[in-house]
Parts: sequence; structure tokens; C-alpha cells
Amino acid sequence: KAGVTQTPRYLIKTRGQQVTLSCSPISGHRSVSWYQQTPGQGLQFLFEYFSETQRNKGNFPGRFSGRQFSNSRSEMNVSTLELGDSALYLCASSWTAIGYGYTFGSGTRLTVV
Amino acid sequence: KQEVTQIPAALSVPEGENLVLNCSFTDSAIYNLQWFRQDPGKGLTSLLLIQSSQREQTSGRLNASLDKSSGRSTLYIAASQPGDSATYLCAVRSEDNAGNMLTFGGGTRLMVKP
Repeated sequence: KAGVTQTPRYLIKTRGQQVTLSCSPISGHRSVSWYQQTPGQGLQFLFEYFSETQRNKGNFPGRFSGRQFSNSRSEMNVSTLELGDSALYLCASSWTAIGYGYTFGSGTRLTVV
Repeated sequence: KQEVTQIPAALSVPEGENLVLNCSFTDSAIYNLQWFRQDPGKGLTSLLLIQSSQREQTSGRLNASLDKSSGRSTLYIAASQPGDSATYLCAVRSEDNAGNMLTFGGGTRLMVKP
């Protein structure tokens, strides 16, 4: 059974550029969440999608956005990249709307130079 | 606002020791608590999930307990091995969330020496 797949694994971008990260959840999982992990702030919630609708959003600027497709795959986009956006971005998927348990992907390591 | 704290932040033990990692949360109105393991530069691996109605969960050498009323959880690792070296994170899902938002602790970085 395939796990949560995140692409790409590594990414280097320049300040001011934009980036799109992709997450394919476990088959049948309809809830997809995104987290940012940095050494200073730890793991912070970005947003959660369920059945193509954003249900929760963390305390991040509007430069961070996301969407979910009908096949539950999700993308997150960061526009006008800043050095502080360098982080490991993790995606998690879950079976039910209530979030019985999470399965995380391996993450995308974004470096902004 | 839910806050999750993990103590200690780092721990170094010789192989074979039994050890306890602590997690505390400020709002006891939670749906569940999940323990994860993270190896350097990697994603999170779920270890144990405890629903709010449960007191403990066990998987192999791991045992997690939950005291919801006091806002505490512990992860007990028996007979530690060098392969257990990793960062351990606890996360709670609170009842005031409409969706699946987890609040994470800062983690405990564990080193098991041969």
C-alpha cells in the first residue's frame, strides 16, 4: 500500500520566486494537511483540506495557499519567496473527517537563497 | 490556544536502558494524542495513537499513556537500542478544531549509545 507521496523532495529557489509543492495522499484518504517545520519554530500547521474544501488555516501570511483536487491530491503554493520560508514542508493524510490518525509524507525540503 | 510541551528536549542514554519521554498540553479538551518519530531530515512516522477515552496504547517495546485531566502523556521505551535514536514528537488534536489540525510539541531528541 503506497504511503503519502510528496514531490519534489528537494527544491532550491531564489527570493521573490514562487513554488508549488505536491502531495498525493494514501488511496481513500480525503483529508490532507500541510505543516512547516523549521529549527526555530518547530512544526506549525499551514492548512487542511477535506473533499476539496479548506477547513482550517494556520497563522501564515496570504503568500501561502493551497488547494485540493477531486482525487484528493493537494498542492501548496508559496509566492514571493522569502529566506525565512526555507523549511521542511510536510503533508499528512487521514482516513476520516475527524482525523482518526495521521500518515505523513517524507516532506519537501525547500531552500530559498 | 493549545500549547504542547515536551521534556526533556534532549536525552542521551546507554543501550538497554528503559526510558520515559514526557508530553504535557494546556487544554484537556482533546480528541486524541499521537506520538511520532522523526529521523534526521525525514518525515514523521506514527508510533502510537491514543484516543481521549483511552488510558494507554502499546506497540512492541513502546507504551504510551494518557492522563487527559492532568494534560499529560508519557512514552515509555523499554530496553532501548541504538536504532531508537531519533526525535520523538507528541501532537494533540483539540476539540475546538473543526478539522484535523494537530498541535505539536518541540520534540525530544534521543540518543542511545551502544
